[in-house]
Amino acid sequence: DIQMTQSPSSLSASVGDRVTITCRTSQGINNFLAWFQQKPGKAPKSLIYGVSSLQSAVPSRFNGSGSGTDFTLTISSLQPEDFATYYCQQYNSYPLTFGQGTRLEVK
Amino acid sequence: DVHLVQSGAELKKPGATVKISCKISGITFTDHYIHWVRQAPGKGLEWMGLVDPEDGETVYAETFQGRVSINAVTTADTSYMEVSTLTSEDTAVYFCSASTTTLPYYWGQGTLITVSS
Repeated sequence: DIQMTQSPSSLSASVGDRVTITCRTSQGINNFLAWFQQKPGKAPKSLIYGVSSLQSAVPSRFNGSGSGTDFTLTISSLQPEDFATYYCQQYNSYPLTFGQGTRLEVK
Repeated sequence: DVHLVQSGAELKKPGATVKISCKISGITFTDHYIHWVRQAPGKGLEWMGLVDPEDGETVYAETFQGRVSINAVTTADTSYMEVSTLTSEDTAVYFCSASTTTLPYYWGQGTLITVSS
């Protein structure tokens, strides 16, 4: 199985801040890397696929980057609705695997 | 609009079996893989497996192989997931998701399964 190591596990920030979450995979995944946002009591929402492609209607303040085994999600200017938990996921091979999550909290 | 509507919460005793449904509308059922993902209380997301409704082929995470069964009933645009020999560690919210690729995209609302004696 491909292991996903996501960091940090939690992050405190303020509206307007720029934040970065990293995800490392245990082997190459041919850029089949996605990011999800999840709010309490809700299903995950797909934000980014293929490392850097935004899903429809996702604001441009979300940016994905990386290659090989190291990937990054950056939110350029935090908005109130962005406080949530974020997960990376590889979909290159089965079983699909997720990072352990990053909880983004209000400072 | 796309809707994935899951069956309601259930309380099960250890050793029991649970079957959850996921009714899909607004998309062509047979064009989409149906994934099942679970989330234990306060924990992360865990992919369990998927079914291709077009041919019924399934893929399971090894953790669940032999104890989980996923199928798709094309005449009802519904996927079912059954988990047997439940333990307290199976207490979780179970989500179905549909996508045209291996990346989950459309999601159900989740079904809470509580395993307790």
